[in-house]
Amino acid sequence: GQQLNQSPQSMFIQEGEDVSMNCTSSSIFNTWLWYKQEPGEGPVLLIALYKAGELTSNGRLTAQFGITRKDSFLNISASIPSDVGIYFCAGRNPPASGTYKYIFGTGTRLKVLA
Amino acid sequence: GAGVSQSPRYKVAKRGQDVALRCDPISGHVSLFWYQQALGQGPEFLTYFQNEAQLDKSGLPSDRFFAERPEGSVSTLKIQRTQQEDSAVYLCASSPGQGAINEQFFGPGTRLTVL
Repeated sequence: GQQLNQSPQSMFIQEGEDVSMNCTSSSIFNTWLWYKQEPGEGPVLLIALYKAGELTSNGRLTAQFGITRKDSFLNISASIPSDVGIYFCAGRNPPASGTYKYIFGTGTRLKVLA
Repeated sequence: GAGVSQSPRYKVAKRGQDVALRCDPISGHVSLFWYQQALGQGPEFLTYFQNEAQLDKSGLPSDRFFAERPEGSVSTLKIQRTQQEDSAVYLCASSPGQGAINEQFFGPGTRLTVL
């Protein structure tokens, strides 16, 4: 099935460093979501974006809805060990297409070294 | 509980067996989604319900997969004659909205292993 491209696939960083990851699509989306998933659990919503160019923060997390509507970015500032997990982006096509489904990315696996 | 619950959490089936996976969404949530997540991949959409109506089943991989939500609350995903390629985590998510569906709340998933 279709999955969005996420980059990087995985990263090891030192505690306190900033993290950047992105997600790209071949088609336009009207909603972008960012999730975090930990082992044995379902994804947990971090940030939702509804408008091209929108920049939204949630604590140390900041996400942006790309102006082309085909990409989104997530930044984590001053990482801490509990940021470890897999981060997924998800995009939804415009409602006119009649679909309610989200397309998920391939995930970015983050490991934080204390 | 206040969240989405799924049962069983783990299921091992022999190839050819039928399985049924249950999802209890957040009370009052109109929308319910099923996703399949293969190892190392992101979730892939299977099907969507708005109340008891199955509005989109375009992601179901074959006619061996069947989902229902007869009373608009609990949902069951059934897989008939399981195959090894069906091994995955099956995630259920619910959302309060119907027209403007945005935030989906996920359950912990059922890990299905087909031997």
